[in-house]
Amino acid sequence: QTVVTQESSLSVSPGGTVTLTCGLTSDSVSPNYYPCWYQQTPGQPPRTLIYSTSTRSSGVPDRFSGSILGNKAALTIAGAEADDESDYYCVLFMGAGIWMFGGGTKLTVL
Amino acid sequence: EVQLVESGGGLVKPGGSLRLSCAASGFSFTYYNMHWVRQAPGKGLEWVSSISSSGSYIYYAASVRGRFTVSRDNAKKSLFLQMSSLKVDDTGVYYCARESAAAGAEYWGRGTLVTVSP
Repeated sequence: QTVVTQESSLSVSPGGTVTLTCGLTSDSVSPNYYPCWYQQTPGQPPRTLIYSTSTRSSGVPDRFSGSILGNKAALTIAGAEADDESDYYCVLFMGAGIWMFGGGTKLTVL
Repeated sequence: EVQLVESGGGLVKPGGSLRLSCAASGFSFTYYNMHWVRQAPGKGLEWVSSISSSGSYIYYAASVRGRFTVSRDNAKKSLFLQMSSLKVDDTGVYYCARESAAAGAEYWGRGTLVTVSP
């Protein structure tokens, strides 16, 4: 059973840079998995940050960037702000029309 | 402005049925694949189902296959999720989402709450 892996929690200092990753237990993540990244705060719907590895969704500041780092997809947040404190989810296209989310990363800004 | 508004959620007993709707506006609905994604209370996001722009291609997560049916009415700019044989584990907020220009959900509705409880 393939699982999409994410760090359960990370922290970053205000103004700092943090990288969240999205991996697979059974394979390396490549652009063929069309990794997407979402930000969610409690009680709110997800907000799309990145789709297809590195394309920023409309209105997303360029301090959010997506890439492939080694064998994982990565979301890098530069110049972290207090409002970045959220849950972050990645999703991968597994083929045959199937998408799979990671368990999410809780980011703390302190 | 892209808008997606879900409706149809509510309280239902295990084994029951519910039909969710998603009304789309602000974009050419006919051209986009659509998704349903759910979130159990206090848990992460779970992809549920996708339907192609024409409705010809339909996909389900293993957890709902055989119980849920996705459909769309392009003339009415609406997406549907017929849920049957509901289980307690199906409880959560159900989001309708529009696919991006490339792949993956990009625009999201605010969700509708489904509660399955005896």
